Amino acid sequence: RKEVEQDPGPFNVPEGATVAFNCTYSNSASQSFFWYRQDCRKEPKLLMSVYSSGNEDGRFTAQLNRASQYISLLIRDSKLSDSATYLCVVTNSGGYQKVTFGIGTKLQVIP
Amino acid sequence: SQTIHQWPATLVQPVGSPLSLECTVEGTSNPNLYWYRQAAGRGLQLLFYSVGIGQISSEVPQNLSASRPQDRQFILSSKKLLLSDSGFYLCAWSPGGYGYTFGSGTRLTVV
Repeated sequence: RKEVEQDPGPFNVPEGATVAFNCTYSNSASQSFFWYRQDCRKEPKLLMSVYSSGNEDGRFTAQLNRASQYISLLIRDSKLSDSATYLCVVTNSGGYQKVTFGIGTKLQVIP
Repeated sequence: SQTIHQWPATLVQPVGSPLSLECTVEGTSNPNLYWYRQAAGRGLQLLFYSVGIGQISSEVPQNLSASRPQDRQFILSSKKLLLSDSGFYLCAWSPGGYGYTFGSGTRLTVV
């Protein structure tokens, strides 16, 4: 089983739709969780951290379910500019803090 | 504010040629520095990380090496490139492990 698993997609959704991505992780001792956004042929950029209580940033909501070992990202009212690949990131304690990236889920918002 | 510089942006190199990619960070001291590679259709793979000058840890055995000659400089090298070394190389820094900031990346094609 991979340390971090994501559905690579693509998810094709119309503008204004709500879309959700899940990411599962295998290490129950994982400590920190993030969502990164990567535009085509660009570097990944931090979108948001994921907290146990769930957190929201505008149209984006991130949730963590430790019992089932998954995190989710919900995007409401999708915009064309949301089209990108969304990477799930999990960190584990490992001295320098071991960080594992998921393969990413590609989102294409269609007019 | 902290910035990270990475160059060159693109590189086409013949098999067997040497490689040197440079990354520098500004606006911070003693950062944790990382080299990642992203191959087509695959997730980010950690190659090397460094917690200080002259301190390099390798995650994956390969024909690449890394050096950190100065606090804010991280260099990725190879003596002889292989076709399989093609990919998107990303330098990243972390202020103690909470999230990453990536450089703009180098797209390497080995021909």
